[in-house]
Amino acid sequence: QKEVEQDPGPLSVPEGAIVSLNCTYSNSAFQYFMWYRQYSRKGPELLMYTYSSGNKEDGRFTAQVDKSSKYISLFIRDSQPSDSATYLCAMDSSYKLIFGSGTRLLVRP
Amino acid sequence: DTGVSQDPRHKITKRGQNVTFRCDPISEHNRLYWYRQTLGQGPEFLTYFQNEAQLEKSRLLSDRFSAERPKGSFSTLEIQRTEQGDSAMYLCASSSKRDNVADTQYFGPGTRLTVL
Repeated sequence: QKEVEQDPGPLSVPEGAIVSLNCTYSNSAFQYFMWYRQYSRKGPELLMYTYSSGNKEDGRFTAQVDKSSKYISLFIRDSQPSDSATYLCAMDSSYKLIFGSGTRLLVRP
Repeated sequence: DTGVSQDPRHKITKRGQNVTFRCDPISEHNRLYWYRQTLGQGPEFLTYFQNEAQLEKSRLLSDRFSAERPKGSFSTLEIQRTEQGDSAMYLCASSSKRDNVADTQYFGPGTRLTVL
């Protein structure tokens, strides 16, 4: 079993929809949780990071961490076609990041 | 552009050849990482430098792989006697961890390797 599980999708939504992306993990030692966005054939781009449990908001993006359930989420409000990409969750294991396999999101105009 | 840069962006080689990739991190970052990403998967950790010291190597990094970071600045990743299974995107990231702050890693655009 992988340390970080993420539904690969694809997830297809109409423009303007609220998108919910999720990851589960098994290692309770993880403290920092990141979300990266990756466009096709590009490097991952850091969107947000959160420490321990709680919520963090940045514009249209909200990250949630529930350490008791080992479950993290990224919400995208008012989704745009330019949000179409693969979203990767990542956990900080001291110095290296452990990534999920990514969820491919398609926002239809 | 002051982000992480990688060169080349694409490399096509024949099986058995050696290849070398270069990464230039964000200038003030003392940590540098190499990851490998295959289609449909997230990046997987390969190795990590703090300044010029290589502090960790994944078991994914066979003896055909070697990485260096002379003078703690740019880094190179060399693959000897390439195999078709080495075909992947090789990503470099850098960070500057401070106490009690997340080690937020910033990635370069990657080098896509195709081994024929």
